[in-house]
Amino acid sequence: ETGVTQTPRHLVMGMTNKKSLKCEQHLGHNAMYWYKQSAKKPLELMFVYNFKEQTENNSVPSRFSPECPNSSHLFLHLHTLQPEDSALYLCASSPGRGGGRNNEQFFGPGTRLTVL
Amino acid sequence: EDQVTQSPEALRLQEGESSSLNCSYTVSGLRGLFWYRQDPGKGPEFLFTLYSAGEEKEKERLKATLTKKESFLHITAPKPEDSATYLCAVPWPGYALNFGKGTSLLVTP
Repeated sequence: ETGVTQTPRHLVMGMTNKKSLKCEQHLGHNAMYWYKQSAKKPLELMFVYNFKEQTENNSVPSRFSPECPNSSHLFLHLHTLQPEDSALYLCASSPGRGGGRNNEQFFGPGTRLTVL
Repeated sequence: EDQVTQSPEALRLQEGESSSLNCSYTVSGLRGLFWYRQDPGKGPEFLFTLYSAGEEKEKERLKATLTKKESFLHITAPKPEDSATYLCAVPWPGYALNFGKGTSLLVTP
């Protein structure tokens, strides 16, 4: 595997279900990100982790719960979601912080989530 | 207040018809401007980083340029496979990138 991988690629869930999205990066990066992409909207940052520590939570509802067990893996745990949470969820990684190449983020293919 | 504005929202070109996409930004102390390409249903693909006014970078039919207020992505003699949404972004303080809404490019044969 190379780059950033995400599983599953597609997910359909009911509002009472609990599911998890998984992201893995093979680039040796230190920072990992979750973004939400809805139709006709810019990419919305959800969470940032650096060296496994959460550094940013962009006012995301508690029904989204991130977990970063190490610098290579990132999870997004989902529970009691709403239909408006249906979107493409993207994971990204970057070398770190500080501007320039440290901010160059590489994205996974995304998980297309549909909440019924 | 939007820090990154892209125009046009959508652009349709004939194959071989060159054009430019615009990305204007309002952040001070720019620490890089990033261009990405995104195909439908896929994650953005990194294209370029520009660091200072006057800098240019090229990749195949794409050339990105940067001034103190905006960046242009020039597409020379585009082909249908260049059809995609092109995103630009600037760093927030810290780690995150602030993305524009993108320009959706369609190149017809």
